[in-house]
Amino acid sequence: ETGVTQTPRHLVMGMTNKKSLKCEQHLGHNAMYWYKQSAKKPLELMFVYNFKEQTENNSVPSRFSPECPNSSHLFLHLHTLQPEDSALYLCASSQERQLNTEAFFGQGTRLTVV
Amino acid sequence: GQNIDQPTEMTATEGAIVQINCTYQTSGFNGLFWYQQHAGEAPTFLSYNVLDGLEEKGRFSSFLSRSKGYSYLLLKELQMKDSASYLCAVRDRGSNYQLIWGAGTKLIIKP
Repeated sequence: ETGVTQTPRHLVMGMTNKKSLKCEQHLGHNAMYWYKQSAKKPLELMFVYNFKEQTENNSVPSRFSPECPNSSHLFLHLHTLQPEDSALYLCASSQERQLNTEAFFGQGTRLTVV
Repeated sequence: GQNIDQPTEMTATEGAIVQINCTYQTSGFNGLFWYQQHAGEAPTFLSYNVLDGLEEKGRFSSFLSRSKGYSYLLLKELQMKDSASYLCAVRDRGSNYQLIWGAGTKLIIKP
């Protein structure tokens, strides 16, 4: 496989459930990101990991919990979500400190909270 | 503060040319990116501008004016497959060099 792979592609969960989103990159990048994409809104950066260390946490509620076991894998653990958390969750990777290089995105997980 | 503005939706005809504008206000400009995103798919990189001027890449070109806080993406010889959302993003020194994103422009191509 190449690029950035996210699983699952679609997820429906109740507000009391616990689930996890998975992201894997095969590009040798050292930075990984979680974004939230809601309809007609800008991409919202949630978390950034550089060399497995979390460097950004943009005031994300604690019901979202990231985990980065190594530079190729990133998880987003979800618990007691709210209906307004329904959105497309995108994972991305890039080579940090190379500011002219682009980020590569996965196809996202379409999350619906019921 | 930081702000990226682009039109919500545009319509164009197959074979024609369309220009998608993006204006930005950031505390420390450090490069501008354009991405294409088809419905239900990942955003994919189109272009990068850090100096003023036009960057051409096949049917797509991107222009930047740093003094005006302005960029545009020019799509020529439009094809039906160009129907997608086009996202403008600026790398901002004031945000620890993270990307600040516009809401995207949905481009609809008609036969």
